[in-house]
Amino acid sequence: DVKVTQSSRYLVKRTGEKVFLECVQDMDHENMFWYRQDPGLGLRLIYFSYDVKMKEKGDIPEGYSVSREKKERFSLILESASTNQTSMYLCASLYVRDSNYGYTFGSGTRLTVV
Amino acid sequence: AQSVAQPEDQVNVAEGNPLTVKCTYSVSGNPYLFWYVQYPNRGLQFLLKYITGDNLVKGSYGFEAEFNKSQTSFHLKKPSALVSDSALYFCAVKSAGNMLTFGGGTRLMVKP
Repeated sequence: DVKVTQSSRYLVKRTGEKVFLECVQDMDHENMFWYRQDPGLGLRLIYFSYDVKMKEKGDIPEGYSVSREKKERFSLILESASTNQTSMYLCASLYVRDSNYGYTFGSGTRLTVV
Repeated sequence: AQSVAQPEDQVNVAEGNPLTVKCTYSVSGNPYLFWYVQYPNRGLQFLLKYITGDNLVKGSYGFEAEFNKSQTSFHLKKPSALVSDSALYFCAVKSAGNMLTFGGGTRLMVKP
């Protein structure tokens, strides 16, 4: 089975700090995604990447950036954390084979910005 | 633009009764539809998907979903609910660029 690992389950950071959320997948998938989850809003796409060093903005990229230097690792960066970025962050990777699609999610990182 | 609606924030059902969690979608072209479940403080677990083929899709833990093209719906069902089914359920549709667009989620509460 594909494994998507997010390095931290819980994080508490101060306003203004630079925050790194790490995500690693072990199946050589090309596509990776970062979502944030808020009650009643479902999951909203922040950024995605379809290859090494490639990145595309999702629906809510403001205040975030990403890095994909290696295929297996996709990092989400909060340049200057703010309280409105307190949320659950979920990473996902995708395989595509013959029009079959499979998304695998990490366990999530619950970030609190104080 | 693609969108997904889950009209119910919460669904309450008694253990042993059938359950339905509703989902409607809007997408251009053929829809690729997914259901995920989330237990407290965990990531999303895949339940089932519709890509093509039979309109009735069977998935994990006894869940199934019916794809209805005319009603643009993909409701999740289970014949007999368990207390352990209590969780947050998300419907999603694959958008352009392989992104998933999610509904707002439905909390399922199964009472003994």
